Amino acid sequence: AQKVTQAQTEISVVEKEDVTLDCVYETRDTTYYLFWYKQPPSGELVFLIRRNSFDEQNEISGRYSWNFQKSTSSFNFTITASQVVDSAVYFCALSDNAGNMLTFGGGTRLMVKP
Amino acid sequence: EAEVAQSPRYKITEKSQAVAFWCDPISGHATLYWYRQILGQGPELLVQFQDESVVDDSQLPKDRFSAERLKGVDSTLKIQPAELGDSAMYLCASGEGFSYEQYFGPGTRLTVT
Repeated sequence: AQKVTQAQTEISVVEKEDVTLDCVYETRDTTYYLFWYKQPPSGELVFLIRRNSFDEQNEISGRYSWNFQKSTSSFNFTITASQVVDSAVYFCALSDNAGNMLTFGGGTRLMVKP
Repeated sequence: EAEVAQSPRYKITEKSQAVAFWCDPISGHATLYWYRQILGQGPELLVQFQDESVVDDSQLPKDRFSAERLKGVDSTLKIQPAELGDSAMYLCASGEGFSYEQYFGPGTRLTVT
């Protein structure tokens, strides 16, 4: 069975601080896919990144960066120089080998204060 | 930019009544998903379609929930009869295929009284 754990339920930072959101996953598959989604107050889930299990290179996109470590089953997300607009709930998700089942973590609510 | 459309955005219904939600995926997306998101939790998959066929409905409470995607395009999720515990956000998503990223609609927030 697949499982995604986001231990941080809520994080509060002041604008311009860096913040890392943790994600730990469990799966028996050797091939799988990891995702991060953002859910702003409006409610619509916004896709941020997709990573397959064979690609352990870290990725940077603007102020966002992702650290995938297969050895520790973690896929952490860092926002550099946070902004108020980054305030949202962030979900880490895992899909199986065939991509059939997307399992979400419980989410981390990030609050960025001015 | 293409988007997933859902209607209605909000629905209030009394328990034991029937309720239906509609989803129009991004054009050309073969896979369509219905999720239920209870407040404060992550989305949980209810049913997954590949074109008009159900791929996975293992988490769908089939005694009261039904879903269809007759022509492989838009989809309807129905609850009959609604129960108080069905109050949640119902999200529809579509994708180009399995393992690809899913694009979500704005959701339908259901309140059962």
